[in-house]
Amino acid sequence: AQTVTQSQPEMSVQEAETVTLSCTYDTSESDYYLFWYKQPPSRQMILVIRQEAYKQQNATENRFSVNFQKAAKSFSLKISDSQLGDAAMYFCAYRSPNYGGSQGNLIFGKGTKLSVKP
Amino acid sequence: DAGITQSPRYKITETGRQVTLMCHQTWSHSYMFWYRQDLGHGLRLIYYSAAADITDKGEVPDGYVVSRSKTENFPLTLESATRSQTSVYFCASSFGGGIDEQFFGPGTRLTVL
Repeated sequence: AQTVTQSQPEMSVQEAETVTLSCTYDTSESDYYLFWYKQPPSRQMILVIRQEAYKQQNATENRFSVNFQKAAKSFSLKISDSQLGDAAMYFCAYRSPNYGGSQGNLIFGKGTKLSVKP
Repeated sequence: DAGITQSPRYKITETGRQVTLMCHQTWSHSYMFWYRQDLGHGLRLIYYSAAADITDKGEVPDGYVVSRSKTENFPLTLESATRSQTSVYFCASSFGGGIDEQFFGPGTRLTVL
């Protein structure tokens, strides 16, 4: 079974600085998908960024980028120019390919709580 | 309104009572999911559905029942609520699997006394 580990329960960053959140996963599959979700105090889950394992190029979305290291099974999230609105819980998630009985559900890590200091 | 909605947003019930949490999406997404979120556990899958009348168990299905007679609705029933089912419940939907985004409802905070 696949597992996702976020080793940093809490992180803190100064406004306008850069922070990196760690995520590692365990899988025997060669094809899969990885996601970062943000959960602000409102509780709403918001997709931040996603990555297909077969793509070597790291995904970027404005101030958010990932460092995907397939061999190391690592998928870290970098937030540049941190803003107060970035304060939230961040969840890393894994999804198997949609075949062999899997219905594409997400497997989540336990989350990292990010605080942004003004 | 378009999107995915859950009701109620907050619910307090007593041990042994039956509770149904509702989930409705307007996108005609094939896939729907129920997760529970507990401190220290992240989100864990309870049940999922690939289409109307097709449902299957996830990681933590015990004590829960689902149905999906219509594509847009995916209710979750706690047949006899227990205190261990106190949690925040999220419904989600996606068009497909793979890289498709999974959209989440706003969550229901359930307290079982």
